[in-house]
Amino acid sequence: DAGVTQSPTHLIKTRGQHVTLRCSPISGHKSVSWYQQVLGQGPQFIFQYYEKEERGRGNFPDRFSARQFPNYSSELNVNALLLGDSALYLCASSVQQGAAGYTFGSGTRLTVV
Amino acid sequence: KNQVEQSPQSLIILEGKNCTLQCNYTVSPFSNLRWYKQDTGRGPVSLTIMTFSENTKSNGRYTATLDADTKQSSLHITASQLSDSASYICVVSGDRRAGNNRKLIWGLGTSLAVNP
Repeated sequence: DAGVTQSPTHLIKTRGQHVTLRCSPISGHKSVSWYQQVLGQGPQFIFQYYEKEERGRGNFPDRFSARQFPNYSSELNVNALLLGDSALYLCASSVQQGAAGYTFGSGTRLTVV
Repeated sequence: KNQVEQSPQSLIILEGKNCTLQCNYTVSPFSNLRWYKQDTGRGPVSLTIMTFSENTKSNGRYTATLDADTKQSSLHITASQLSDSASYICVVSGDRRAGNNRKLIWGLGTSLAVNP
């Protein structure tokens, strides 16, 4: 079985641009969460989606948005990129919203120049 | 305030030696505690998950303990290998039923280097 897959693995963008990151959860997992991890720090919670609805939101500006599709895959969108948005963006999936068994993808490394 | 604190911040050991990493938390109420291993630039990989009623859980050479009364956990690595070099992160989940969103509260991790 494939694990949580994220694409692209690496990405370089310039300030002011827009970026879309994608995540495919493990088959059968209905919940997807997004995290931002700045180098040397722990992941910061951005969003959680379950059954295509937003079920949790972290302390991130409105430039960050996400959605979940009927097949439970998800996109994270970031508008008007700032240098400080450079980070590893992690996606985690679980069977249900409150399940303990989160599985993480390998992440997308975003560099904003 | 819900917090997870880990110690030491970094650790260097020789291959074959054992080590123990510590995690103290103030998350309340408590749902579960997880230990993750994270290689640089990669996503975290789950090592163990423990609920309130569990006080020890093993996964190969990794053994985690949990004392829910003192809100402390430890991760013991035996017979370390070079591939154990990574960050080890303690993550605590609160209980949604008590009003806390079931978000994960992450420690900053212990950076472990295993040298030959």
